[in-house]
Amino acid sequence: SAVISQKPSRDICQRGTSLTIQCQVDSQVTMMFWYRQQPGQSLTLIATANQGSEATYESGFVIDKFPISRPNLTFSTLTVSNMSPEDSSIYLCSGGRLGLGNTEAFFGQGTRLTVV
Amino acid sequence: AQSVAQPEDQVNVAEGNPLTVKCTYSVSGNPYLFWYVQYPNRGLQFLLKYITGDNLVKGSYGFEAEFNKSQTSFHLKKPSALVSDSALYFCAVREGGGSYIPTFGRGTSLIVHP
Repeated sequence: SAVISQKPSRDICQRGTSLTIQCQVDSQVTMMFWYRQQPGQSLTLIATANQGSEATYESGFVIDKFPISRPNLTFSTLTVSNMSPEDSSIYLCSGGRLGLGNTEAFFGQGTRLTVV
Repeated sequence: AQSVAQPEDQVNVAEGNPLTVKCTYSVSGNPYLFWYVQYPNRGLQFLLKYITGDNLVKGSYGFEAEFNKSQTSFHLKKPSALVSDSALYFCAVREGGGSYIPTFGRGTSLIVHP
């Protein structure tokens, strides 16, 4: 298994500002994902973070709003840009050595974002 | 396309009683099935998976799940519930040999009463 450290665990931000969330994995993973989750609700995939290239975004999510970096196989960031109260949510990063004999993804602890 | 249904928003059970959290799935090829648990203010924690082999799989914290191909189900079970099992449970599926991106169900809140 992989251990994923995510920070910050929570933040309260002013509208119009940006927040960058970081995920550090304790070992190399082939795939990393970013999700959004309303409290008590299911997960919505934002994008797949690709190492050394642009992330692959799901429908309804765009790079200008959610720029993602993945400079190597153990680290990724998600920025929530120009925030509005509608961006208040839990953001989760996930990853795993998928395709290398491993089948399940693991998750960071989540970032609870409140925009005021 | 792949999808997961968790028909119950909430399951209530008394401590010491058996529990079942239901999950049905749809996938084109062979299913890879997973259960995750989420405690308040935490990320998702992997519980168990079915990839192939024995239909009954055992996981963490005494949980197990039974794969039923004919009913396309993968229900999570535990013989004796604990109050500490109270959490949000997610079933997920992806197609073996296909996309590595899992599809998650909407989650089931398990409440175990003392």
